[in-house]
Amino acid sequence: EPEVTQTPSHQVTQMGQEVILRCVPISNHLYFYWYRQILGQKVEFLVSFYNNEISEKSEIFDDQFSVERPDGSNFTLKIRSTKLEDSAMYFCASSEAPVGGYSGNTIYFGEGSWLTVV
Amino acid sequence: SQKIEQNSEALNIQEGKTATLTCNYTNYSPAYLQWYRQDPGRGPVFLLLIRENEKEKRKERLKVTFDTTLKQSLFHITASQPADSATYLCALPDSGTYKYIFGTGTRLKVLA
Repeated sequence: EPEVTQTPSHQVTQMGQEVILRCVPISNHLYFYWYRQILGQKVEFLVSFYNNEISEKSEIFDDQFSVERPDGSNFTLKIRSTKLEDSAMYFCASSEAPVGGYSGNTIYFGEGSWLTVV
Repeated sequence: SQKIEQNSEALNIQEGKTATLTCNYTNYSPAYLQWYRQDPGRGPVFLLLIRENEKEKRKERLKVTFDTTLKQSLFHITASQPADSATYLCALPDSGTYKYIFGTGTRLKVLA
């Protein structure tokens, strides 16, 4: 069964450093997302991406964050100047069609990249 | 904005019994609602979607109901097994956007 793959599975970084989290969405999917989950808290939306553009972003997704689809298969999340509060599990997800609204389309999550900022 | 409430306390049940988890939302009624399973340190996995015009949806041992009057969905696992132990998340489309919002999830533990 096709799946979303993420690397690294775990990264420890010093506060102030930049990190790049990588994702390979399901191959025929066109819509890509990043969500995050702080330990013990709920899964929170960060950003959605379609046709090489951000289609929606949350308040969390400020100038510290950026996303990119550098080639036909990868989708990356860059966090500049990391802060302690950025420590969380970051999930990449993809869908064949847009989610939300009345569509009912399913979103498929990767296994996550656990980021620890020290 | 929409708020989703799930019982944050863990639910412990004996193997073979039916587990019932609750998802309440506070604002508008969504066109549909989804349930996901999340194992520790893993990503959420889609289980079931139920639309507002469907009272009940089943998939193998899983059953979901959706009551727009009560603003509630119930998620049932019949003949529960220890392998069903996980956190179960409720998710709704956020009005006017193209994203889902998730509840905090309810942790289920099925005791052998």
